[in-house]
Amino acid sequence: DGGITQSPKYLFRKEGQNVTLSCEQNLNHDAMYWYRQDPGQGLRLIYYSQIVNDFQKGDIAEGYSVSREKKESFPLTVTSAQKNPTAFYLCASSMGLENEKLFFGSGTQLSVL
Amino acid sequence: ILNVEQSPQSLHVQEGDSTNFTCSFPSSNFYALHWYRWETAKSPEALFVMTLNGDEKKKGRISATLNTKEGYSYLYIKGSQPEDSATYLCAFWEDSNYQLIWGAGTKLIIKP
Repeated sequence: DGGITQSPKYLFRKEGQNVTLSCEQNLNHDAMYWYRQDPGQGLRLIYYSQIVNDFQKGDIAEGYSVSREKKESFPLTVTSAQKNPTAFYLCASSMGLENEKLFFGSGTQLSVL
Repeated sequence: ILNVEQSPQSLHVQEGDSTNFTCSFPSSNFYALHWYRWETAKSPEALFVMTLNGDEKKKGRISATLNTKEGYSYLYIKGSQPEDSATYLCAFWEDSNYQLIWGAGTKLIIKP
């Protein structure tokens, strides 16, 4: 079955620690995205990538980093510079940008210890 | 600052009743409007992507309309069923911003 796999489902971060969230897709999609959800707010874009080895900052990229070394994979690192990392993180992919629908993973809940 | 507003924030509907809710977005630089359904403990799932003013789309008992000139879209659910309980998200693709701007969602709860 084609889809997007995010792992882990739950993640705990200690102060000063970097953590990496995994996102893998086997849909052969060019575009991939990372969103953050906070209670009562709409999804906010952290980073997106239209093609391998290229990615762009979204509205809230500070304190995060990404890589896109393979078409299938778009990991997100939450660095120690992100002072308020507790949130639900969603990865998505699409054939392209603009009017293409997004396919989502099941999300990772990140909490600070 | 671009803003997408969804109303109401939450909605309780009796099983069998029909319902609708609204997504409001800026009417300038419109490119596309997306609707997604997000059931608890599952991934958001696309319902519709709408691009033309006056567009109407239908998927089973769910339909959506689009008015790009006044900046709103309605989502209608006919004969609500328990499996319709979910959060419904809309997102607006603005031509110059090159990303989707998301509303906070309408949480729909169907009472048996």
